[in-house]
Amino acid sequence: KNEVEQSPQNLTAQEGEFITINCSYSVGISALHWLQQHPGGGIVSLFMLSSGKKKHGRLIATINIQEKHSSLHITASHPRDSAVYICAVSIYGGSQGNLIFGKGTKLSVKP
Amino acid sequence: NAGVMQNPRHLVRRRGQEARLRCSPMKGHSHVYWYRQLPEEGLKFMVYLQKENIIDESGMPKERFSAEFPKEGPSILRIQQVVRGDSAAYFCASSPLGLAGVVGNNEQFFGPGTRLTVL
Repeated sequence: KNEVEQSPQNLTAQEGEFITINCSYSVGISALHWLQQHPGGGIVSLFMLSSGKKKHGRLIATINIQEKHSSLHITASHPRDSAVYICAVSIYGGSQGNLIFGKGTKLSVKP
Repeated sequence: NAGVMQNPRHLVRRRGQEARLRCSPMKGHSHVYWYRQLPEEGLKFMVYLQKENIIDESGMPKERFSAEFPKEGPSILRIQQVVRGDSAAYFCASSPLGLAGVVGNNEQFFGPGTRLTVL
């Protein structure tokens, strides 16, 4: 079993829909990251969080440390949101760069 | 304020040749991380460096791979005697001072990646 599991693996939505991507992990962490990988391959860091909730525009990330679970929500989805969304964790006590990545959720938003 | 720069963006090598991948971190960032993304697989950590120091190389293959981040100039990931299995996208990321504050809570900024193809 992978230390970081994401669901769903693939997600197709209609423009305007509310989207949720889930991430569960099995190790103690010091931080959780949400990344976006564009179809061209470039990676953008969306959020880094260790507790609670963060919001940036139409994106919201939440984390529940007790349940070892995080969600990424996209409100009013748009075709330009189509990308692979990757969850990654920094292990507590480990070096900060040693991220463990989920396999990603491929999101496709149809107009 | 330029982001993380990587070059080349695409690199083609024949088996047995050497591959050198360069990463220039964001201005003011002294921490560099290298990750590898094999085709159809997720990202994997390779190495974490500060200027002139390797902090964590637990993800680096023991042979043929090396990394450095000199006092001046970019970070270099070097792959000697490349094999077809080395074909992948190699991403570099950088962050500001790492160990200040809470370890593990330093946001990373990613470069565009270098796509290595070994023929």
